[in-house]
Amino acid sequence: GAGVSQSPSNKVTEKGKDVELRCDPISGHTALYWYRQSLGQGLEFLIYFQGNSAPDKSGLPSDRFSAERTGGSVSTLTIQRTQQEDSAVYLCASSANRDGLQYFGPGTRLTVT
Amino acid sequence: RKEVEQDPGPFNVPEGATVAFNCTYSNSASQSFFWYRQDCRKEPKLLMSVYSSGNEDGRFTAQLNRASQYISLLIRDSKLSDSATYLCVVISYNTDKLIFGTGTRLQVFP
Repeated sequence: GAGVSQSPSNKVTEKGKDVELRCDPISGHTALYWYRQSLGQGLEFLIYFQGNSAPDKSGLPSDRFSAERTGGSVSTLTIQRTQQEDSAVYLCASSANRDGLQYFGPGTRLTVT
Repeated sequence: RKEVEQDPGPFNVPEGATVAFNCTYSNSASQSFFWYRQDCRKEPKLLMSVYSSGNEDGRFTAQLNRASQYISLLIRDSKLSDSATYLCVVISYNTDKLIFGTGTRLQVFP
């Protein structure tokens, strides 16, 4: 497909387990963002990758959260020892340049029970 | 203070009404501005960019006021399909990072 894809679309996990969320950006897009959106809330910035630069991790809420982007393409967001407050929709977006046009994936809905 | 602030609403307006949202930003180094639209349980999508001189796209008009550090979105002749959350987005000159507001919810009723 031509758009940003994310997997899984839904994930239910038990408190304390680790989860991995995947994002496949649009081919050739150098910028990749991860956001979190709780029900009825705005977008919460988590992490930003731009080309080969060091990622901006300033939005990660705790050290249980980490993300990597391999080969400048696919990105994985990992949440260790999940807590109930981690339940949210995790959105990935990619951008070709710094013009503000971001293409969002459909999100992964994470539920921690 | 949040870097980008919006009134969360909801704004409940009848069809045909004109409605306006404002968004304030705190970083004077902000250089680019946008409005995104997010439908319920969907991902955000770009609605329009905001240019210094103001710009219009059909029923939608966006304006920027650098002196007062706010941007606005005006929707004329509201349609039921305009019901959504409107997100204000700012790019910082320093970081090139997009900062999203929490959104303003619009509900257009018949």
